[in-house]
Amino acid sequence: AQSVTQPDIHITVSEGASLELRCNYSYGATPYLFWYVQSPGQGLQLLLKYFSGDTLVQGIKGFEAEFKRSQSSFNLRKPSVHWSDAAEYFCAVGASGTYKYIFGTGTRLKVLA
Amino acid sequence: DGGITQSPKYLFRKEGQNVTLSCEQNLNHDAMYWYRQDPGQGLRLIYYSQIVNDFQKGDIAEGYSVSREKKESFPLTVTSAQKNPTAFYLCASSFTPTATRNEKLFFGSGTQLSVL
Repeated sequence: AQSVTQPDIHITVSEGASLELRCNYSYGATPYLFWYVQSPGQGLQLLLKYFSGDTLVQGIKGFEAEFKRSQSSFNLRKPSVHWSDAAEYFCAVGASGTYKYIFGTGTRLKVLA
Repeated sequence: DGGITQSPKYLFRKEGQNVTLSCEQNLNHDAMYWYRQDPGQGLRLIYYSQIVNDFQKGDIAEGYSVSREKKESFPLTVTSAQKNPTAFYLCASSFTPTATRNEKLFFGSGTQLSVL
């Protein structure tokens, strides 16, 4: 069965520090992978997506993610976090050719000034 | 600007009452979705619609109903049969109903439903 795991429920970093949010997936074929960000009381905004090709994907707001097939991972990174990055981050997998998008349980990021 | 509009932002339901959450999109998308979000549980699919006058149950459809009479609109009714309706409800849409390399979900800003 397809699944997405985000092992970290909460992460706290200092402003200016680097960030890595973990995501592991389970899917039989090459998945479509996404990272979304959600501010409190708001909808989700797409940060980046991976379908094929270059395993390092660049997104908006200075985020990037690396697809590692051998580890079934799609971790999100940012070299220097800003206070405005405080939000909840969701990893998702799209099952190719279906309506199905499966979301992880989210990682809540807190940024210390 | 194109987008998805959900209303109301906050909604309160009395016991035994049905309530309807509105979702309208002007993106000309064929597919629309309703998700339920509970703290620590991520997003769970309630219903989805691939085209007008057609919709399918998702993973947690019990206690909910939908209609898709117009391409732009996909209202969700939370019925009295839904015993634990308190949650954040998100409507989403996509141009096509299947995950492809060019697809992504667009989300509304959500409705918080609480029980009085």
